This record gives sequence, structure tokens and C-alpha cells, in this order.
Amino acid sequence: EAQVTQNPRYLITVTGKKLTVTCSQNMNHEYMSWYRQDPGLGLRQIYYSMNVEVTDKGDVPEGYKVSRKEKRNFPLILESPSPNQTSLYFCASNGRDEQFFGPGTRLTVL
Amino acid sequence: AQSVTQPDIHITVSEGASLELRCNYSYGATPYLFWYVQSPGQGLQLLLKYFSGDTLVQGIKGFEAEFKRSQSSFNLRKPSVHWSDAAEYFCAVGGINKLVFGAGTILRVKS
Repeated sequence: EAQVTQNPRYLITVTGKKLTVTCSQNMNHEYMSWYRQDPGLGLRQIYYSMNVEVTDKGDVPEGYKVSRKEKRNFPLILESPSPNQTSLYFCASNGRDEQFFGPGTRLTVL
Repeated sequence: AQSVTQPDIHITVSEGASLELRCNYSYGATPYLFWYVQSPGQGLQLLLKYFSGDTLVQGIKGFEAEFKRSQSSFNLRKPSVHWSDAAEYFCAVGGINKLVFGAGTILRVKS
């Protein structure tokens, strides 16, 4: 079954404590993306990756890092989380004509 | 710059009534257009997409959308709404590496 998995699904943390949200896809897609969803703003792209070791900024990259060392994995890293990064995060794996979204990670930064 | 406008934040319809959710976009090239649905606490499910060809697109769950280039619109329709359609709906425009989403429309269905 084609799928995108994210972990953890829920996370509560404190300001400044580094965290990583993992994302994995089993569709052998080259393109992957991270989005954040906030009420009234829809989803906004944070970073995307066109292939292994190739990443680029989306619309709201500040405070985030990503890496793409393997084709299937695209982790999102918050090195010093702040309360304004409290949000719902989605990883997406981009097929030829459709993006497949993971189930989401709800992050709360206190 | 690419942008998507969903003018209605909330819409309430009676079960069995017809539905139209509006979407207007701004995009520099021929757009790829999508509608996604998000049920409470769930991820995003693709309802339908438009790339080219017939401007009336059929999707899952009885939804359809019509692309009107002259109006820069891609409105979503359903002839008869079911209570299970209550969710948030997102219109999106973009390509393989990026989607730009509207702010979403929350659909409430009253019995």
C-alpha cells in the first residue's frame, strides 16, 4: 500500500528543545515536501526536496531545517522550537500528478 | 505570485441540498488545480484534480469541479450533500514541487 508515514503524531515540547519529525514514503518518489497548517491560513510549504541531497526553501522556512540523505526519508528538524511553531505539520510525497500527504503531526511548543 | 482565494470561511447546507464551494486562483502559467478534503483530526484526501482537457472534472464521493479560465475559478460542486460530507475543504494550485493552498472552507451539514 502506497503511504506516507510521520512520527510522532502528537508532540508537546518546550521552547528551545531540539526535535525531529520523521517522514517516510514507500512510493520511490523523488519530490517530497513539508507543510504547516494554521487556522485561516491553509497549508503553507516549509521546505521541499527534489531528490537526495537536494532541498530548497518553501514559503515559510524560518526556524526549520530538513535533510534528505535517503530517497524515502525527509525529516523536519526544529533546532530551537518557539511557541509560534505550534502547528499541524504535514509531510507530502509528490507523485507525477498528485501529492500524497502523511497523517499529520500536531506540535505544541510551550 | 501564486495565490488561492476561498471566499467562504464557513458554509452551512441542509442534508440533501446542493453545494458549491468557490475557489479563485492567481497563477502565472496553466495551472494544475486540486481540491482536498480534511475531516476533523484527519489528514488530507484528494477529491479531484485538473491538469488539462475537459473543464468539468469528476472526483470521488460524488464531487465535481469546473475549471473556468476566464474567471480564474475552480469551483467544487455536489448535487446532494450527505452528513458525512461535513469537513474542511481546500482548493490548491501548483505543480510537482509545490502546492499553494487556499485558507479552506468549513462545511457544516444540518439535518
